Amino acid sequence: TQLLEQSPQFLSIQEGENLTVYCNSSSVFSSLQWYRQEPGEGPVLLVTVVTGGEVKKLKRLTFQFGDARKDSSLHITAAQPGDTGLYLCAGPTGNQFYFGTGTSLTVIP
Amino acid sequence: NAGVTQTPKFRVLKTGQSMTLLCAQDMNHEYMYWYRQDPGMGLRLIHYSVGEGTTAKGEVPDGYNVSRLKKQNFLLGLESAAPSQTSVYFCASSYSRVAFFGQGTRLTVV
Repeated sequence: TQLLEQSPQFLSIQEGENLTVYCNSSSVFSSLQWYRQEPGEGPVLLVTVVTGGEVKKLKRLTFQFGDARKDSSLHITAAQPGDTGLYLCAGPTGNQFYFGTGTSLTVIP
Repeated sequence: NAGVTQTPKFRVLKTGQSMTLLCAQDMNHEYMYWYRQDPGMGLRLIHYSVGEGTTAKGEVPDGYNVSRLKKQNFLLGLESAAPSQTSVYFCASSYSRVAFFGQGTRLTVV
C-alpha cells in the first residue's frame, strides 16, 4: 500500500483567511490529484499535477507538486464558505487510485 | 447526465444479514471500483474491475464479494454483515486516470 498522509486532518477558519493543506508520501508518484468532496456527495476531481515542481492555479486554489514527486500542497487564498468540504489527495497507480486520509475544511462566514 | 449511480443510498442491516449494493455507470468506462470511507481513514479500495467479467482485490477485500457481469454494472455483496462493515460505500469508474464517483451508500450494521 502506498500511503498518502494529509495534514491537517481538520481545519476551521474564518472567511477571508488563507490556508494550506499538505499531502505527503514516502513513495514516488507519476502524478498526484486533488479531489473535493461535499457532504452527501462523492469526490470530484479538482486538478492533476504531473511534473515535479509543477504549480497549477484554479481561481483561488494553488496546487504544487513536490520536486521529488512524493508530496503535494493545496493553498487556498481568501477562503469562502463555498470552499467548505473534504479535500482528498490521490495517487493514480497502475489500475488503482490511492487516496489520502483527507482534510476536512470548514470556512466560517 | 447520470454518470455513476449507486443504489440504495441508505440501508440498515442486522448482523449476519446479506445485501448487494448496485453501481451503474453510463460513460462506457472499463475500470470500476468499490471504496469504503471511514472517518480519518480516507477512501480504502475494496475491490476493482478492469473490464467486463474481471475483478480483483483491493486493500480491504475481506467480507466482500463483487461481480462485473455487464460493463456498466459493478455489484458489491456482503454475505454476512458485521458491525465493522458500517461505513459509507462509494463506487467509481475511471477513464484516462480520472475517477468519477457515485453519491455513496450509507450502510449501518446493528
